Amino acid sequence: QKEVEQDPGPLSVPEGAIVSLNCTYSNSAFQYFMWYRQYSRKGPELLMYTYSSGNKEDGRFTAQVDKSSKYISLFIRDSQPSDSATYLCAMRLDSNYQLIWGAGTKLIIKP
Amino acid sequence: NAGVTQTPKFQVLKTGQSMTLQCAQDMNHNSMYWYRQDPGMGLRLIYYSASEGTTDKGEVPNGYNVSRLNKREFSLRLESAAPSQTSVYFCASSAKGLAGYTGELFFGEGSRLTVL
Repeated sequence: QKEVEQDPGPLSVPEGAIVSLNCTYSNSAFQYFMWYRQYSRKGPELLMYTYSSGNKEDGRFTAQVDKSSKYISLFIRDSQPSDSATYLCAMRLDSNYQLIWGAGTKLIIKP
Repeated sequence: NAGVTQTPKFQVLKTGQSMTLQCAQDMNHNSMYWYRQDPGMGLRLIYYSASEGTTDKGEVPNGYNVSRLNKREFSLRLESAAPSQTSVYFCASSAKGLAGYTGELFFGEGSRLTVL
């Protein structure tokens, strides 16, 4: 079993919809949780970063961490065609900087 | 600002051939990484260099070697390419060890390698 599980999709939604992307993980010691966005034929780029539990909001994006359920989510409000990309979750321990990655979810926003 | 630059962007090799992927960053970062990305597998760490002069194995180091040439450059070498090494390779850097480090990785655009 992988340490971090992520549904590969693709997830296809109409423009303007609220999108929910999720990852589950097995190591309860993870403390840092990140979401990266990767456009086709490009490298990943950091989108959101959260430490420990709770929510973090940045414009149309909200990252949520539920450590009791070992579950993290990324919500995108008012989704746009430009949000079409693969979204990768990543996480790490407090004491180790090595990131553990999900496989990524491909998101398609239809105009 | 170029960020992380990888060369070449595309390469086709025959089994047994060797090649080196080059990576350079201009952000004065201490740490550099080589990942491979395969469908359904996510990003897997091949090797990393926490600082100039040091290199360490990651999750999938077999069949690869690395050189941290200086603070800016980190190369990945395939000595005898195999079809299983067909993948997209990403170089990344981070400010680990510098003030304000958050863990963010900065990636290049990738090098697409096919081994026949």
